[in-house]
Amino acid sequence: NAGVTQTPKFQVLKTGQSMTLQCAQDMNHEYMSWYRQDPGMGLRLIHYSVGAGITDQGEVPNGYNVSRSTTEDFPLRLLSAAPSQTSVYFCASQGANYGYTFGSGTRLTVV
Amino acid sequence: GNSVTQMEGPVTLSEEAFLTINCTYTATGYPSLFWYVQYPGEGLQLLLKATKADDKGSNKGFEATYRKETTSFHLEKGSVQVSDSAVYFCALSVAGNNRKLIWGLGTSLAVNP
Repeated sequence: NAGVTQTPKFQVLKTGQSMTLQCAQDMNHEYMSWYRQDPGMGLRLIHYSVGAGITDQGEVPNGYNVSRSTTEDFPLRLLSAAPSQTSVYFCASQGANYGYTFGSGTRLTVV
Repeated sequence: GNSVTQMEGPVTLSEEAFLTINCTYTATGYPSLFWYVQYPGEGLQLLLKATKADDKGSNKGFEATYRKETTSFHLEKGSVQVSDSAVYFCALSVAGNNRKLIWGLGTSLAVNP
């Protein structure tokens, strides 16, 4: 039982490049979310999904897109990377008891 | 609105010392309260939770009691170990808020041998 799997673990992008951060969960959770973690700012919600085909914006959605075609997968797309998007990104899924399961994170650097 | 305030870190303790990390909240309705822990280089893990007033969550020697009268959920441990060095996050969830968690900024704990 893998829980939440994020790939890649590390990525360096040049300004203007695009990429997709992958997130998959095998717990059949309906609710999934993406956060970014920056020093001194805690966790900020980027996008979330309450089920396949349903997504919504969080606090800091600009520059990111998501889709949810299956219950298992919730990829995060960076459309045109900017240095301000240098961060650690976490995907999480939520079970019925409100407990979140987090992936191990993707450390992204935009140069 | 809903918010969580945690004591600022970093907190530095010697092994076997008593730990308290303060967490207070404001919320509409009756929130569920959580403590998450993040070890270096890892994602966050649920440490403990409480879903109603006066509930006590506990795990791995950590405890926190949901105090509605003081809107608090302070994390305590009687004797910390070096392996407890991590960042601790307090969070709340309010029913009907699309199941989103509201997070504190985190408190870094370093335990020295």
